[in-house]
Amino acid sequence: QVQLVQSGAEVKKPGASVKVSCKASGYTLTGYYMHWVRQAPGQGLEWMGWIDPNSGATNYAHNFQGRVTMTRDTSIITAYMELSRLRTDDTAMYFCARDDNSAASGHDSWGQGTLVTVSS
Amino acid sequence: EIVLTQSPVTLSLSPGERATLSCRASQSVSTYVTWYQQKPGQAPRVLIYDASNRATGIPARFSGSGSGTDFTLTINSLQPEDFAVYYCQQRINWPLTFGGGTKVEIK
Repeated sequence: QVQLVQSGAEVKKPGASVKVSCKASGYTLTGYYMHWVRQAPGQGLEWMGWIDPNSGATNYAHNFQGRVTMTRDTSIITAYMELSRLRTDDTAMYFCARDDNSAASGHDSWGQGTLVTVSS
Repeated sequence: EIVLTQSPVTLSLSPGERATLSCRASQSVSTYVTWYQQKPGQAPRVLIYDASNRATGIPARFSGSGSGTDFTLTINSLQPEDFAVYYCQQRINWPLTFGGGTKVEIK
């Protein structure tokens, strides 16, 4: 079955960077786009962007442009999301989610989430 | 970007009752709305895509309707496992955006 397994929780200081991994199994990584969504404590969902594992092409939400970098390593079937210049309000659960990028579709499989805490 | 407004913020109902959740878009999104359910400590899961199509494995008590700017998620005969937070998402334009969510709680 499709499974996305994310890396463990991180604690970072303001101004630092964090890199979260998302390892896929049960399907061909290059057959779907990988999206990233975050959720601050007690808050709603915020879409961050996607990467095409085939080409490496990316599409980032405006709020994160200049600070987020999404990459992939097809040899180990893993996608990455790196967020730089961290602020305390970046404290959130970060999810990866598989998607075919069709408008009539959705994020049909999700990772378990990675909690990133930013604190001095 | 397209703003989605969900109402009500909280819905207090008893098991067996019907839940009606609303999602309104700031501009037309055709039928390109997806609904997700999220339980505490879990990742969201897809319930409905393209406004009215149930995802694989989703019970028939969940239904979606709407087009343009107004969308509805209906849960007939609420089961104990349905008490959760529900989000709508528009998929017609980048960036994808989510509504703020509706919490369905036990009355």
